[in-house]
Amino acid sequence: EIVLTQSPATLSLSPGERATLSCRASQSVSIYLAWYQQKPGQAPGLLIYDASNRATGIPARFSGSGSGTDFTLTINSLEPEDIAVYYCQQRSHWPLTFGGGTKVEIK
Amino acid sequence: EVQLVESGGGLVQRGGSLRLSCVASGLTFRNYSMNWVRQAPGKGLEWVSYISSNSRAMYYGDSVKGRFTISRDNAKNSLYLQLNSLRAEDTAVYYCAGGLWFGELTFDYWGLGTLVTVSS
Repeated sequence: EIVLTQSPATLSLSPGERATLSCRASQSVSIYLAWYQQKPGQAPGLLIYDASNRATGIPARFSGSGSGTDFTLTINSLEPEDIAVYYCQQRSHWPLTFGGGTKVEIK
Repeated sequence: EVQLVESGGGLVQRGGSLRLSCVASGLTFRNYSMNWVRQAPGKGLEWVSYISSNSRAMYYGDSVKGRFTISRDNAKNSLYLQLNSLRAEDTAVYYCAGGLWFGELTFDYWGLGTLVTVSS
């Protein structure tokens, strides 16, 4: 099973700052990694697919990068509505796996 | 508009069984594979199971293999998950999820979830 390790567990930033979230895979997943945003009390929503492609309707301040085992989700100019838990997910190997999540808080 | 609506959750005793359903609308259901993903209270996401569009392929996470069974009825636009031999650690919100636009294993549609509580 591919283990996805996300860091940090919690990120506390002020509005307008840049958030950098990391996802590291225990073995290569090529580019087959997605990022999801889960706001409190809601189902997750897709942000990024195949490492660097924004899903439909996702603001340009969200960007993804990486390949192989190291991936990054960047939120440029953090806004209050970005308060959420962010998860990475790989689809390279069965079983599909998710990272443990990074909680983004506003200072 | 694509909608996925889960039902069937509830309180069940350890060792008991439950059947979850997910009804899909706004899409040609028979064309898409589907998945179940769960989330224990206050915890992260865990993929549970996958079924192909024609039910020929099914996969399970290690923690549920041999106890849970995924199925679908394309005529009813419905996805199911049979949960047997339930354990306390199966307590979670169960989401049905599908990948329509960005690859079948990238989940761009999710239901609101149904809560399963296993009492000991």
